[in-house]
Amino acid sequence: ETGVTQTPRHLVMGMTNKKSLKCEQHLGHNAMYWYKQSAKKPLELMFVYNFKEQTENNSVPSRFSPECPNSSHLFLHLHTLQPEDSALYLCASSQEGPWSPAFFGQGTRLTVV
Amino acid sequence: DAKTTQPNSMESNEEEPVHLPCNHSTISGTDYIHWYRQLPSQGPEYVIHGLTSNVNNRMASLAIAEDRKSSTLILHRATLRDAAVYYCILRDGAGGTSYGKLTFGQGTILTVHP
Repeated sequence: ETGVTQTPRHLVMGMTNKKSLKCEQHLGHNAMYWYKQSAKKPLELMFVYNFKEQTENNSVPSRFSPECPNSSHLFLHLHTLQPEDSALYLCASSQEGPWSPAFFGQGTRLTVV
Repeated sequence: DAKTTQPNSMESNEEEPVHLPCNHSTISGTDYIHWYRQLPSQGPEYVIHGLTSNVNNRMASLAIAEDRKSSTLILHRATLRDAAVYYCILRDGAGGTSYGKLTFGQGTILTVHP
């Protein structure tokens, strides 16, 4: 248990569906992150939020839309995804500074059919 | 972003020490050295971090070279549960667009033999 909770753990969606991934932390952290991990590849940073403001968008396609309503919650809204978007999506949180460890959720295993 | 270089894979026997190396020759004075590990089908797990001095915690030790251009993660007695991918990451402390960013590389796959 890392203190970062992601739901759902598994998701299968069609290419025309709209779904959302949720991440929640109650560690008092002010930075939250979305990562994508495709099979046999390193984690790719997608989005960074500091104090609810988006500070990083790593050239992510617009079919992925993040939302950070407060410092404890982070969402990733998905629409019209492609099969190649199937991956493990990981959320993490930390304090903003580099001296702070980051804590990761268990991830959402997404399959686009 | 300052980059790190790690061996693709390493092997160890159970209950023996493991030394996982990481080179970061372009490290800047404000970069923190972080180590994470990822077990199969799980999210990465924080292991340890440091700036200049060696660090110890209940999971591992971090030995940082005097010039900071390399570091070594030390698992004192490997167990089968330590089999994972280990990532060495530099976390930018200088400010600007890279401040605090956590960028993962390929990591080192550690295999532990019974």
